Amino acid sequence: QQQVKQSPQSLIVQKGGIPIINCAYENTAFDYFPWYQQFPGKGPALLIAIRPDVSEKKEGRFTISFNKSAKQFSLHIMDSQPGDSATYFCAAADTSGTYKYIFGTGTRLKVLA
Amino acid sequence: ETGVTQTPRHLVMGMTNKKSLKCEQHLGHNAMYWYKQSAKKPLELMFVYNFKEQTENNSVPSRFSPECPNSSHLFLHLHTLQPEDSALYLCASSQGQGGTDTQYFGPGTRLTVL
Repeated sequence: QQQVKQSPQSLIVQKGGIPIINCAYENTAFDYFPWYQQFPGKGPALLIAIRPDVSEKKEGRFTISFNKSAKQFSLHIMDSQPGDSATYFCAAADTSGTYKYIFGTGTRLKVLA
Repeated sequence: ETGVTQTPRHLVMGMTNKKSLKCEQHLGHNAMYWYKQSAKKPLELMFVYNFKEQTENNSVPSRFSPECPNSSHLFLHLHTLQPEDSALYLCASSQGQGGTDTQYFGPGTRLTVL
């Protein structure tokens, strides 16, 4: 119930491609879904977040799609660049309760030049 | 220094050693966190402090002992660790403990237990 399942584990795309990372959850109490980006040697940094009252959110080249009925959400990176090569983590939180983020296992993305 | 800093960045210790990890946040936040990051596993929340008070201990073994002397500093004291404790230990902070309060992470301490 508390898990967030993330796939794929790793992903390689060509520059300009649109990598898609998927996450699924079971706990219907989750109502906040952030994505974090982590570069080697750095800590994770918040990239974009969504609440389930919207089906899509865009920030620059990054888009979250949210499907409440399927309990799934995904990150799309438009016109991907080699500088986007990083590990991406999805997370979920129940904001009526605590600060606890439940993280996915991460997706290592490599964008080839 | 800005953001969240952690020292040391790398640490190698034997199973009988005692060492401490340090975290400092320069963001004026009130909540601080310790996470464990292992390969192919989700980030594991270990401890949470809010206004210097511990609000969460996520069933962490007693060989890990946190200390929060003020809202800007957080320590993780380590003793008699096991090889399976080798991991990246991340510190984070947030303005409050609300679920939408963005957590800002430090770069982590890479710990190797021999």
